[in-house]
Amino acid sequence: KNEVEQSPQNLTAQEGEFITINCSYSVGISALHWLQQHPGGGIVSLFMLSSGKKKHGRLIATINIQEKHSSLHITASHPRDSAVYICAVVRGGADGLTFGKGTHLIIQP
Amino acid sequence: GAGVSQTPSNKVTEKGKYVELRCDPISGHTALYWYRQSLGQGPEFLIYFQGTGAADDSGLPNDRFFAVRPEGSVSTLKIQRTERGDSAVYLCASSLTGKTEAFFGQGTRLTVV
Repeated sequence: KNEVEQSPQNLTAQEGEFITINCSYSVGISALHWLQQHPGGGIVSLFMLSSGKKKHGRLIATINIQEKHSSLHITASHPRDSAVYICAVVRGGADGLTFGKGTHLIIQP
Repeated sequence: GAGVSQTPSNKVTEKGKYVELRCDPISGHTALYWYRQSLGQGPEFLIYFQGTGAADDSGLPNDRFFAVRPEGSVSTLKIQRTERGDSAVYLCASSLTGKTEAFFGQGTRLTVV
């Protein structure tokens, strides 16, 4: 079993819909990252969080440390949000990131 | 520089050849990471440098893979006797201390034919 599991693996939605991507992990962590990867490989860090909730524009990330679960929400989704969204954790006492396999999101106009 | 720079962006090599992939991190970032991403998969950790030393090289798949960071800045990932299974996108990331936000390069797409 992977240490970081994401769901869904693929998601297609219509423009304007509210999007939720989930991440569950099975190890103790010191931080969790949400990353965005567009075709061509470039990865952009969206959030780094260790507790609570963060918001940036239309993106919201939450984490529940006790339940070992995080969610990424996109409000008023737009076709330019189409990308792979990756959850990655920093395991407690370690360095470097352990990645989920990603969620491939397509927003149709 | 303004961001993490990786060169080359694409590399095609023949099976059995030696390749070097370069990563130029953000100036002042002490932590540098190499990851490998195969098609349809999330990135996998290869090696982590803190300064000049490899703090964790547990992700290197075998002894054909080696990485250096001699002056604590630019890093080179070296692959000997390349195999077709080494084909992937090799990603480099840096962060200020290792416990802060990581910034990724655009990756080097390696194709072994």
